[in-house]
Amino acid sequence: GAVVSQHPSRVICKSGTSVKIECRSLDFQATTMFWYRQFPKQSLMLMATSNEGSKATYEQGVEKDKFLINHASLTLSTLTVTSAHPEDSSFYICSASSGGLPYEQYFGPGTRLTVT
Amino acid sequence: GESVGLHLPTLSVQEGDNSIINCAYSNSASDYFIWYKQESGKGPQFIIDIRSNMDKRQGQRVTVLLNKTVKHLSLQIAATQPGDSAVYFCAEGGGKLIFGQGTTLQVKP
Repeated sequence: GAVVSQHPSRVICKSGTSVKIECRSLDFQATTMFWYRQFPKQSLMLMATSNEGSKATYEQGVEKDKFLINHASLTLSTLTVTSAHPEDSSFYICSASSGGLPYEQYFGPGTRLTVT
Repeated sequence: GESVGLHLPTLSVQEGDNSIINCAYSNSASDYFIWYKQESGKGPQFIIDIRSNMDKRQGQRVTVLLNKTVKHLSLQIAATQPGDSAVYFCAEGGGKLIFGQGTTLQVKP
């Protein structure tokens, strides 16, 4: 149980375009989902926290207009990187929580974004 | 500010030996600590957690020790196997997870 999927697993896009990443909880309802970014050989950095049906809370330094997060249902959250640039190339990981303790998160497999 | 850090970036051990991965944290108010394993190109995988009111917790082949006096957390892996090779992160849980920088564990056959 507690499986989280992400789609796509890898994506390459041209600079200036937008790309959407999906995060799904497959066997539980996720009241809260988290989006992290991880650069090579670095740690996970929390970008934002989203609760179903409400606006996401972004961490300091994360541009909300560039990283659009939607959590429209209890099983799906999306992250859209708008007007992507090469410096946005990274590994994006989502996690989901069923509403218990906030640190009880189930992680997705990640999405490798490459902006050319 | 808050930070969770690791003492060593890379740990190399012989297969069959025990591994000890360390972590220092700075927020004494944190009430939950978690160890994750991350294999290349994958998301973090939960290993074990410990609440701040405990000082030791054991799992299958793993033990986590918490020393709140010196704000230190360690993960012990018994009889390390090649499949244990990965990056290990400690994370501090409160309202959200704060991850440390990670230690790469290399297991030599």
